[in-house]
Amino acid sequence: AQTVTQSQPEMSVQEAETVTLSCTYDTSESDYYLFWYKQPPSRQMILVIRQEAYKQQNATENRFSVNFQKAAKSFSLKISDSQLGDAAMYFCAYRRGQRGGADGLTFGKGTHLIIQP
Amino acid sequence: NAGVTQTPKFQVLKTGQSMTLQCAQDMNHNSMYWYRQDPGMGLRLIYYSASEGTTDKGEVPNGYNVSRLNKREFSLRLESAAPSQTSVYFCASNLAGEHNEQFFGPGTRLTVL
Repeated sequence: AQTVTQSQPEMSVQEAETVTLSCTYDTSESDYYLFWYKQPPSRQMILVIRQEAYKQQNATENRFSVNFQKAAKSFSLKISDSQLGDAAMYFCAYRRGQRGGADGLTFGKGTHLIIQP
Repeated sequence: NAGVTQTPKFQVLKTGQSMTLQCAQDMNHNSMYWYRQDPGMGLRLIYYSASEGTTDKGEVPNGYNVSRLNKREFSLRLESAAPSQTSVYFCASNLAGEHNEQFFGPGTRLTVL
């Protein structure tokens, strides 16, 4: 079974600076997808960014980018120019491929990101 | 377009009581999911329905049953609630397709006394 590990329970960063959240995963599959979700205090789960395992190019969405190292099974999230609204729990998630997107997600335990003004 | 809706938002039960959590989506999605989130944990998959008429167990199915009533609705039933089922429950859905994201409902906070 696949597992997702987030080794940083909590991270703190000054507003406008850059922070990197770590995620490692374990799988025997070659086809899979990786996601970062944000959960603010409202509890709503919001997709931040996704990465297809078959793509070598790292995904980028505005201030958010990933460092995907397939051989190392590492998938870190970099947030540039941190803003107060970025404060939230961040979850790394994995989904197996080749099932038409029907499989559920496997989540890490999350990293609580604090933004210092 | 309401997205994924869940009812109720909050519920308190006594041990042994039963209840059904309701989930509906209006995005014409094929697949639907139920997760639970416990303090200090990520979400864990309880059950999912890849398409209308099918359901499958996830990581933590014990103590739960599900019904995919139609394409829009996917309910989660606790037949005899236990304190270990105190959690926040999320419903999610996605359109068929490898790269498609899951959309989540707002969650139901359930407390079992």
